[in-house]
Amino acid sequence: NAGVMQNPRHLVRRRGQEARLRCSPMKGHSHVYWYRQLPEEGLKFMVYLQKENIIDESGMPKERFSAEFPKEGPSILRIQQVVRGDSAAYFCASSQGFAGNTIYFGEGSWLTVV
Amino acid sequence: DAKTTQPNSMESNEEEPVHLPCNHSTISGTDYIHWYRQLPSQGPEYVIHGLTSNVNNRMASLAIAEDRKSSTLILHRATLRDAAVYYCILKQGANNLFFGTGTRLTVIP
Repeated sequence: NAGVMQNPRHLVRRRGQEARLRCSPMKGHSHVYWYRQLPEEGLKFMVYLQKENIIDESGMPKERFSAEFPKEGPSILRIQQVVRGDSAAYFCASSQGFAGNTIYFGEGSWLTVV
Repeated sequence: DAKTTQPNSMESNEEEPVHLPCNHSTISGTDYIHWYRQLPSQGPEYVIHGLTSNVNNRMASLAIAEDRKSSTLILHRATLRDAAVYYCILKQGANNLFFGTGTRLTVIP
């Protein structure tokens, strides 16, 4: 769990601003996943990426949200023109990507939209 | 995504064993059974996973039914730090995890 690094841990944005959440996977992991957890709800899958590729984005809202995992550097989850309903905990996870492997989660980034 | 069924909540006395059940009657032959737990204000923590055979690690044991349609997570001696929401998840290949509502475990001192 400690190996997946997310920052910032807490972020406050005004409505209409942009939020950028960063995730550095565990060493040796080339697969990254983003999840969102609304207050008092369960974790919802958003997007699954491999280096430079989006594998599955079936959980991503169609507008304002985007994710990338470049060849160099961390994965970025970007939320444009934030609204109050975007306030949530965003968790990043990583894995080596083969069947039966373990997915490890970061401590999360808490976004508050005021 | 394959579905699992867990009780919404369970209670255990401190220092007693806890058996957390999970039903997954539609499991396919290549699905791995994963367990995670989430403490308040923290990210999910990997607990254990298995395919067919029972598994043990330092945190817990996983007992898998012979037909693989159910499994049980066993915490051998519950402590107050084990109070969390426990998720039983079927993982297909390298794909992502789909979380259900899990079981909220309360440990009574």
